Amino acid sequence: GNSVTQMEGPVTLSEEAFLTINCTYTATGYPSLFWYVQYPGEGLQLLLKATKADDKGSNKGFEATYRKETTSFHLEKGSVQVSDSAVYFCALRTSYDKVIFGPGTSLSVIP
Amino acid sequence: SAVISQKPSRDICQRGTSLTIQCQVDSQVTMMFWYRQQPGQSLTLIATANQGSEATYESGFVIDKFPISRPNLTFSTLTVSNMSPEDSSIYLCSVEDGRQSRETQYFGPGTRLLVL
Repeated sequence: GNSVTQMEGPVTLSEEAFLTINCTYTATGYPSLFWYVQYPGEGLQLLLKATKADDKGSNKGFEATYRKETTSFHLEKGSVQVSDSAVYFCALRTSYDKVIFGPGTSLSVIP
Repeated sequence: SAVISQKPSRDICQRGTSLTIQCQVDSQVTMMFWYRQQPGQSLTLIATANQGSEATYESGFVIDKFPISRPNLTFSTLTVSNMSPEDSSIYLCSVEDGRQSRETQYFGPGTRLLVL
């Protein structure tokens, strides 16, 4: 079945450090891929998405590229801020099936 | 994207009681979804609610425990019945926004439930 794997957390970085959160997936067909972010005490917000191979999603300085050959969708940001502290969820969806979420990666950015 | 609100935002309840959570969307949407997020965990889909039909429940969730209503295209409720401490979770409403793209789901702020 479809599944999403994310790097284990928590991740702690200093402000302005480079961020990578790894995400790999298993899916039949050609899924759309998503990154959602959950700030403390809030619901999920869509951060970015990509719907086909080699697409790059980007938002708020975050980027992720849909790599079909490695079945990956790693999240990157060049310079993190304290305000980026949150839990990040990688997710996939195939052909209007239900969304499959990864386990989430907690990020803490310290000044 | 669609703007989604939920009521209540949080509640503390006694075991054995029931709580109804409301989800309101600012536009008409075909599909609405209810998720549970247990402490420190990822999201688990409870059910899909389409207007005019019975909700479709995922494995491990039953209508008697989580009855859902979907009276129109902008509103849904989820009831958590006969609660126990194991029901302490965040409950999230989600919709597809057909104006944007059907494969993307958007989430409400969640209802934080603590059962004592």
